[in-house]
Amino acid sequence: DQQVKQNSPSLSVQEGRISILNCDYTNSMFDYFLWYKKYPAEGPTFLISISSIKDKNEDGRFTVFLNKSAKHLSLHIVPSQPGDSAVYFCAASAGGSGGSNYKLTFGKGTLLTVNP
Amino acid sequence: NAGVMQNPRHLVRRRGQEARLRCSPMKGHSHVYWYRQLPEEGLKFMVYLQKENIIDESGMPKERFSAEFPKEGPSILRIQQVVRGDSAAYFCASSPRDYSYEQYFGPGTRLTVT
Repeated sequence: DQQVKQNSPSLSVQEGRISILNCDYTNSMFDYFLWYKKYPAEGPTFLISISSIKDKNEDGRFTVFLNKSAKHLSLHIVPSQPGDSAVYFCAASAGGSGGSNYKLTFGKGTLLTVNP
Repeated sequence: NAGVMQNPRHLVRRRGQEARLRCSPMKGHSHVYWYRQLPEEGLKFMVYLQKENIIDESGMPKERFSAEFPKEGPSILRIQQVVRGDSAAYFCASSPRDYSYEQYFGPGTRLTVT
């Protein structure tokens, strides 16, 4: 039972173009969403997050969009750079009253390759 | 390096042996989480520990797995009598706050059971 799904195992884009990584979730109790970036032989590194009370959060080249009614979020990277090549994980937590903020549920990840 | 430290980075064990994975949290962090990543899967929560306390072990397999975070020293994830299905990457994360999604991950230990 996968509660967080990243249906694209890989994505390839040209340097300078936009990268869009998608994530769907099924658990309506999720109220906080995070994106992590992971290079080979390293641990996941936090990238950006969004609370369910917002529909957009922006940090430099990275923007996360949340569509609660569709249970869908996406990460936009503009412009994409070769150094962005990594595996991107979408994660979610169910906080709130009696929730478990700390128990992150991860998707399987999307390998992004940015070609020079 | 003030990041989360894990050792060993790679561990090979034969079936039936014990595996001990260590995690030193970031300085000032007293909350530790362990996650497991099986091949082709996302990370899955295993356990949340505070110093000398297991807060939530709902993701731990019922048998053979145990975790501790003593008053002094690193957190330890112990797997007894390992089987091939235990082969995975085990990641530790730490946090400065309790019950928080603000987690900083270590580089992981890749366990291979032969």
